Amino acid sequence: AQKVTQAQTEISVVEKEDVTLDCVYETRDTTYYLFWYKQPPSGELVFLIRRNSFDEQNEISGRYSWNFQKSTSSFNFTITASQVVDSAVYFCALRTSYDKVIFGPGTSLSVIP
Amino acid sequence: SAVISQKPSRDICQRGTSLTIQCQVDSQVTMMFWYRQQPGQSLTLIATANQGSEATYESGFVIDKFPISRPNLTFSTLTVSNMSPEDSSIYLCSAAETGVYEQYFGPGTRLTVT
Repeated sequence: AQKVTQAQTEISVVEKEDVTLDCVYETRDTTYYLFWYKQPPSGELVFLIRRNSFDEQNEISGRYSWNFQKSTSSFNFTITASQVVDSAVYFCALRTSYDKVIFGPGTSLSVIP
Repeated sequence: SAVISQKPSRDICQRGTSLTIQCQVDSQVTMMFWYRQQPGQSLTLIATANQGSEATYESGFVIDKFPISRPNLTFSTLTVSNMSPEDSSIYLCSAAETGVYEQYFGPGTRLTVT
């Protein structure tokens, strides 16, 4: 069975703090894809990153970084020096060879000025 | 990345009526999907819209309630039929291009059923 768990329902941080959003996934497929999406209060889902199962290289993009570890089935997302504009719901998602994307329950991040 | 638009952006409908939501993509895409997002919840896949054939529905969703059309590679519609207050949700269209694994999403349609 495929499953995505985001154990943190809500997180509040003060501006400029670093914050890590956790994502744990389950799949029996050897080929799969992991994603992070951001959903700001406006409601539109914004694609942030994709990771392939065969590429465990971590990635950094500006203040965002992602840590993919197959050994623990985790794909965590860190925001460095958080800003108010980072306030949103963040979804981790999994796509397997059957093309369906399964979304985690989401983590609501509030950055307080 | 594909740019996706949806119409209407929001609507308030009466119980028992139907609403058709349109999804337009600015380029030809292989796959189009419809999701439902209930208030404060995650996204749930309703169906995959297949061009030239019937949509593929997920468990718990049926064609009579959510008929879907996909007449070409850039356009799809979702109808929410015989609505009840439980259908109040955001309905999202998404698309994936050939060889691209991530899906891109439209802005969503916020539906309220009274």
